[in-house]
Amino acid sequence: GAVVSQHPSWVICKSGTSVKIECRSLDFQATTMFWYRQFPKQSLMLMATSNEGSKATYEQGVEKDKFLINHASLTLSTLTVTSAHPEDSSFYICSATGGGPTNYGYTFGSGTRLTVV
Amino acid sequence: GESVGLHLPTLSVQEGDNSIINCAYSNSASDYFIWYKQESGKGPQFIIDIRSNMDKRQGQRVTVLLNKTVKHLSLQIAATQPGDSAVYFCAERSGGSYIPTFGRGTSLIVHP
Repeated sequence: GAVVSQHPSWVICKSGTSVKIECRSLDFQATTMFWYRQFPKQSLMLMATSNEGSKATYEQGVEKDKFLINHASLTLSTLTVTSAHPEDSSFYICSATGGGPTNYGYTFGSGTRLTVV
Repeated sequence: GESVGLHLPTLSVQEGDNSIINCAYSNSASDYFIWYKQESGKGPQFIIDIRSNMDKRQGQRVTVLLNKTVKHLSLQIAATQPGDSAVYFCAERSGGSYIPTFGRGTSLIVHP
């Protein structure tokens, strides 16, 4: 089955530093990847959608300059949290799919717990 | 099926009972629905899906029912086990978009 690897699983960083989270599709080509943020005991909040080779589409209210998304290849997307602050602490999850509207599979990574101190 | 910033409802059951988790959606154009299970500290795992041309689909110990008339989706888990304890999310997608929308989720607690 489709596997998505997300790394790191957890990270602690100091305020003002940047953190990069990687999302890799291991056995399929992910033409589209999604990045979510999840607060404790809440649902997944879509941050952005990225298609390979093009700029990410951000949801309303998500700062594109703060959450940099790169989807340079069909198997890798990265989310960089720039100049992190404690309020950026959260659980970040990526998801990948191998096609457009006709594809019915979404596979999630294991998530990254970010703590900014 | 828009996710909102509210705390999750909880369903508590005894081991061996059947569990029913419900989800309401609002988009009548939604044509694909998915149930996910999320354990603490992990990403969501696919459980079962259903397309809008069906009203029932069965998997191993799980059944998804779709009622398009009232825009309601349910997940039935037979003989619930402690390992089923997790948060369950429904997601919907309309034919015009490939972006799934997640429901608010339900926390299932199974007591041994």
